Amino acid sequence: QKEVEQNSGPLSVPEGAIASLNCTYSDRVSQSFFWYRQYSGKSPELIMSIYSNGDKEDGRFTAQLNKASQYVSLLIRDSQPSDSATYLCAVQAGDTGRRALTFGSGTRLQVQP
Amino acid sequence: DAGVIQSPRHEVTEMGQEVTLRCKPISGHDYLFWYRQTMMRGLELLIYFNNNVPIDDSGMPEDRFSAKMPNASFSTLKIQPSEPRDSAVYFCASSLWGPVLESEQFFGPGTRLTVL
Repeated sequence: QKEVEQNSGPLSVPEGAIASLNCTYSDRVSQSFFWYRQYSGKSPELIMSIYSNGDKEDGRFTAQLNKASQYVSLLIRDSQPSDSATYLCAVQAGDTGRRALTFGSGTRLQVQP
Repeated sequence: DAGVIQSPRHEVTEMGQEVTLRCKPISGHDYLFWYRQTMMRGLELLIYFNNNVPIDDSGMPEDRFSAKMPNASFSTLKIQPSEPRDSAVYFCASSLWGPVLESEQFFGPGTRLTVL
């Protein structure tokens, strides 16, 4: 079983709709969770981080974390064609001091104009 | 700040040749990470440093790979000898020291390596 699982997609949504991206992880003691966006041929860029159960909102983005279910999601409201990219879920181990991230394989999002 | 700087951006070499990738982290960052990205395996950690000291090299695939960080502003990843299966995009990332929950990583533009 992969440590961080994502549906590879592509997830296709019309412009203006809500895109919902999901991620599950296997390490129960994971503490920090990140969503990175990666455009084709570019490097990953951080868009959201979340550490506590519940929702965290930043503009059109909302990250949701449920540690009991080992599940983290990203909602993108009012999706724009410029949101078309691969979204990587990353998990930071719960071991004290270990800073490395474990990434999922990414979900490709396509926003149709 | 210029962000994380990597060189070269593209490298094409022949099997058996030595390849050296370079990284300059964001000034003041204490952690430096080397990742590799392929279609088959996704983005995977190779090694990371804290204050120039290697902390975890469990992701380094084999002895052909080595990494150094001689000072706070420079790191190298070397592959010798290179093989076609090493073809990938290699990313360097850096982060600030702080509570684990706040250590966001910033990625460089990557080096696309092709081994023929």
